Amino acid sequence: GAGVSQSPRYKVAKRGQDVALRCDPISGHVSLFWYQQALGQGPEFLTYFQNEAQLDKSGLPSDRFFAERPEGSVSTLKIQRTQQEDSAVYLCASSLYGASNNYNEQFFGPGTRLTVL
Amino acid sequence: QKEVEQNSGPLSVPEGAIASLNCTYSDRGSQSFFWYRQYSGKSPELIMFIYSNGDKEDGRFTAQLNKASQYVSLLIRDSQPSDSATYLCAVNGWEKSTFGDGTTLTVKP
Repeated sequence: GAGVSQSPRYKVAKRGQDVALRCDPISGHVSLFWYQQALGQGPEFLTYFQNEAQLDKSGLPSDRFFAERPEGSVSTLKIQRTQQEDSAVYLCASSLYGASNNYNEQFFGPGTRLTVL
Repeated sequence: QKEVEQNSGPLSVPEGAIASLNCTYSDRGSQSFFWYRQYSGKSPELIMFIYSNGDKEDGRFTAQLNKASQYVSLLIRDSQPSDSATYLCAVNGWEKSTFGDGTTLTVKP
């Protein structure tokens, strides 16, 4: 199937390490979203790309978080100097239209579970 | 106060009953509303969306929206054990969706 894929599915990092999480959206999808989901909570918005442009990064919790989508397809979320509070599931979602479209169904990838020791 | 509020549950209903899930939101300018189902350890999957006041039906699922009351609900008729999951309400604003923390539903055989 040609759904959203994410890698790695699981990542264990020691506190202070840098990590990079990859998202492959559905081909042709304009919008790409990153969310952080802590246990027992809903997904929290991190950042949004429309094609290669990062239009909203208001949800990134600190300057240790950085995301890019240089060619408008694959995206990478990088976390520098990881902390224990960064432990969560990181979800990527893509949608066909730009986010200003009200009917913009988001298709989620399986997520990357990050554990920081 | 969170922008999107849901009762965390757990909500337990017997098989065959109607499950009613509720969501309120704070941004009166919100335009579209989504219900996602999330099984434990899995990613959210869309059940349905609604953007006009009133009811929208899709099989066993009915979404209800009341913008004046800033309230959206999901009814699941003839609940099945396979419906046991966490149901997330999401509200679309400009460039992002805001999710509630979800309601956990258990359907008992």
